[in-house]
Amino acid sequence: AQTVTQSQPEMSVQEAETVTLSCTYDTSESDYYLFWYKQPPSRQMILVIRQEAYKQQNATENRFSVNFQKAAKSFSLKISDSQLGDAAMYFCAYRSVTGNQFYFGTGTSLTVIP
Amino acid sequence: DAGVIQSPRHEVTEMGQEVTLRCKPISGHNSLFWYRQTMMRGLELLIYFNNNVPIDDSGMPEDRFSAKMPNASFSTLKIQPSEPRDSAVYFCASSFRRGGSGELFFGEGSRLTVL
Repeated sequence: AQTVTQSQPEMSVQEAETVTLSCTYDTSESDYYLFWYKQPPSRQMILVIRQEAYKQQNATENRFSVNFQKAAKSFSLKISDSQLGDAAMYFCAYRSVTGNQFYFGTGTSLTVIP
Repeated sequence: DAGVIQSPRHEVTEMGQEVTLRCKPISGHNSLFWYRQTMMRGLELLIYFNNNVPIDDSGMPEDRFSAKMPNASFSTLKIQPSEPRDSAVYFCASSFRRGGSGELFFGEGSRLTVL
């Protein structure tokens, strides 16, 4: 089974600064999808950004961007101009092109300091 | 458009009681997932359905847990009898998979407390 590892249980960032959350994964597949989900204190999980493995270009959604390194099996999330509303738990997730199951990391708790 | 709808949002019950959690997926989605989240174990997949058919229930903790999806717009997760260690937040999520990434859309979760 695929595994997803988030090695940073907690991170903090000053408001307006940039922070990068790390994620690595293990797979033998060549095509797959990667996701970052945000879980604020309200607890509903919300999709932040997705990346298709066959695309070399890194995905970007406003202040959120990823650094996808396929050979290194690394998928980090960069949050620019951090805002108080970015404070949440962030989960990295993997999904095979052929399979239906998602594999989640253990999450990184992000604190934004005013 | 309505998202994934779960009920109840909070449930407090006593050990031994039956608990039923409900989920209405997004209309048109063909896969439905039940997850459990605790501080100790993180996010765990309990079971998922494709086109209303259970595909993988290997995450269901034991026979006390059962899940059904009688039609495309409704699913239940039942715990009978409940135990204090079942206390957790239970999430339902749905997705539509046809050549795309099929990302998950989550409900707001049901927080279960078993006393």
